[in-house]
Amino acid sequence: AQSVAQPEDQVNVAEGNPLTVKCTYSVSGNPYLFWYVQYPNRGLQFLLKYITGDNLVKGSYGFEAEFNKSQTSFHLKKPSALVSDSALYFCAVRDGENRDDKIIFGKGTRLHILP
Amino acid sequence: GAGVSQSPRYKVAKRGQDVALRCDPISGHVSLFWYQQALGQGPEFLTYFQNEAQLDKSGLPSDRFFAERPEGSVSTLKIQRTQQEDSAVYLCASSPFPGQLLYGYTFGSGTRLTVV
Repeated sequence: AQSVAQPEDQVNVAEGNPLTVKCTYSVSGNPYLFWYVQYPNRGLQFLLKYITGDNLVKGSYGFEAEFNKSQTSFHLKKPSALVSDSALYFCAVRDGENRDDKIIFGKGTRLHILP
Repeated sequence: GAGVSQSPRYKVAKRGQDVALRCDPISGHVSLFWYQQALGQGPEFLTYFQNEAQLDKSGLPSDRFFAERPEGSVSTLKIQRTQQEDSAVYLCASSPFPGQLLYGYTFGSGTRLTVV
């Protein structure tokens, strides 16, 4: 089965600095990878996805993610962090290459942006 | 409505009680999903509907869990004889496309179930 790992429970970054939230994956076949964000008392929000194509994927709110096949990583990045980026971030992978295969989420990484 | 609506927002149930959690997807959305999110964990897949057809229920943890979407719109997740380990946030999501998450879901805010 496919899986994702988020090795950091929490990441602290000063406002204005670049941020990286790490994710590694394990898949057989082509990976379908996603990032979601969860703000307090709000639903999960889709940020971006990688299916095929350019290794650098751009998403919502200025976030981007870099797909690295050799390192089996899909790290989330942003050049300049905002305090409002503080939230819980989830990496996810589709469990197979069929359209109806379910999505598997990582445990999440809490991002704190310090003013 | 503009988003996915879930009710109730919070539910406290005594152990052994049956509960029903409701999800109103975005109008016209074909796909509907239920996820369970335990404290400090990522969401875990429960079940998936395409219109009224339940195409995948492999994530339902036991036969106490039952989900339906009889008219291809509103969905209800029912948990019978609740146990403490059922305490979690139950998330519903919908998508305008068939299949799981190719274009990203829209999630509701969830129902927080506490079994005492």
